[in-house]
Amino acid sequence: AIRMTQSPSSFSASTGDRVTITCRASQGISSYLAWYQQKPGKAPKLLIYAASTLQSGVPSRFSGSGSGTDFTLTISCLQSEDFATYYCQQYYSYPWGGTFGQGTKVEIK
Amino acid sequence: EVQLVESGGGLVQPGGSLRLSCAASGFTFSSYDMHWVRQATGKGLEWVSAIGTAGDTYYPGSVKGRFTISRENAKNSLYLQMNSLRAGDTAVYYCARWSTEAGFDYWGQGTLVTVSS
Repeated sequence: AIRMTQSPSSFSASTGDRVTITCRASQGISSYLAWYQQKPGKAPKLLIYAASTLQSGVPSRFSGSGSGTDFTLTISCLQSEDFATYYCQQYYSYPWGGTFGQGTKVEIK
Repeated sequence: EVQLVESGGGLVQPGGSLRLSCAASGFTFSSYDMHWVRQATGKGLEWVSAIGTAGDTYYPGSVKGRFTISRENAKNSLYLQMNSLRAGDTAVYYCARWSTEAGFDYWGQGTLVTVSS
């Protein structure tokens, strides 16, 4: 099974900061990677798919990059509404639903 | 507007059964693969099952043989029959729409399943 490892697991940042979250796959997954944002008590929200394609309606301060085994999610200028937990998901193994990373919690400094 | 609304969660004893439902609206339900994803309190996301447009089904090893996913396109509904429930199955269960090559683009609000004596 493909394992997804995110780093860091959590960190604190300030509004306006540029932040980067890393996701590493245990084997190559091409660009079959999605990023989700989840706020407490809410369902996850799709931000990016195919490693770098922004989902419709998602602010352009979010961007994704990478292919193969190493991927990043970048928020160029952190806003108050961006404090949340972020998950990566590989879907190289689709139709099996894919593995999620363990999540990265972005907290207010 | 795309909507997914889960129901059927609740408290069940270990070894018991529960059937979750997901009512879909705002899109052509029969044209999409549908999935169930769960999340234990304070934990990450775990894929639980998938059903394709042709009715083909898929499960991870943790639920295979105990859970059954099904769909009723005429009713725009997705189901998850859960048998032989264990404490480790306690979680919020989400239904989610799969957008080809793009991931889970719509999620329901979730329904809580608690397995406890």
